[in-house]
Amino acid sequence: GDSVTQMEGPVTLSEEAFLTINCTYTATGYPSLFWYVQYPGEGLQLLLKATKADDKGSNKGFEATYRKETTSFHLEKGSVQVSDSAVYFCALSSYSGGGADGLTFGKGTHLIIQP
Amino acid sequence: GAGVSQTPSNKVTEKGKYVELRCDPISGHTALYWYRQSLGQGPEFLIYFQGTGAADDSGLPNDRFFAVRPEGSVSTLKIQRTERGDSAVYLCASSLTAGGSYEQYFGPGTRLTVT
Repeated sequence: GDSVTQMEGPVTLSEEAFLTINCTYTATGYPSLFWYVQYPGEGLQLLLKATKADDKGSNKGFEATYRKETTSFHLEKGSVQVSDSAVYFCALSSYSGGGADGLTFGKGTHLIIQP
Repeated sequence: GAGVSQTPSNKVTEKGKYVELRCDPISGHTALYWYRQSLGQGPEFLIYFQGTGAADDSGLPNDRFFAVRPEGSVSTLKIQRTERGDSAVYLCASSLTAGGSYEQYFGPGTRLTVT
């Protein structure tokens, strides 16, 4: 079955540091890939997505590139801020026009940014 | 506009009791999803509806769990003979339609505690 593996947290960085959160996946076919974020006290919200190989999703300074050859979708940001402190989830969808459409999530990575 | 809402926000019940959790999706969204999130884990897919029908219920853990969406809008997740292992946050999400690339919008969740 489908699965998502992401780096364990917590990840603690200083403000303005470079961020990478690794995510690799196993899926049948050609899944769509997502990063969701959960800020303290808030619900899950979509951060960015990519729907085919070599696509780059970007939002709020975060980027991730869909790498089919390495089955990866690593999240990066050049300069993190305290407000980026949250839990980040990598997810995939293997929808194939009638098949399962639920998202498969990784376990989440808790990111802590210190001033 | 209004997002996905879920009621109640918290539910405490005794082992063996029956519970119902409600989800109000974003108006006009035809696809609705239920997930379960245990502490320290990512959300786990339970079931999704396209319109009134359950298009995929492969994530329901056993026959104590059942969900309905009779008019294609509000959905209710029903759990019979609750067990302590059912304690988790139950998340609902909706999207414009089914399809792996469509964004799923999540509600704040219902925290279920079975004592």
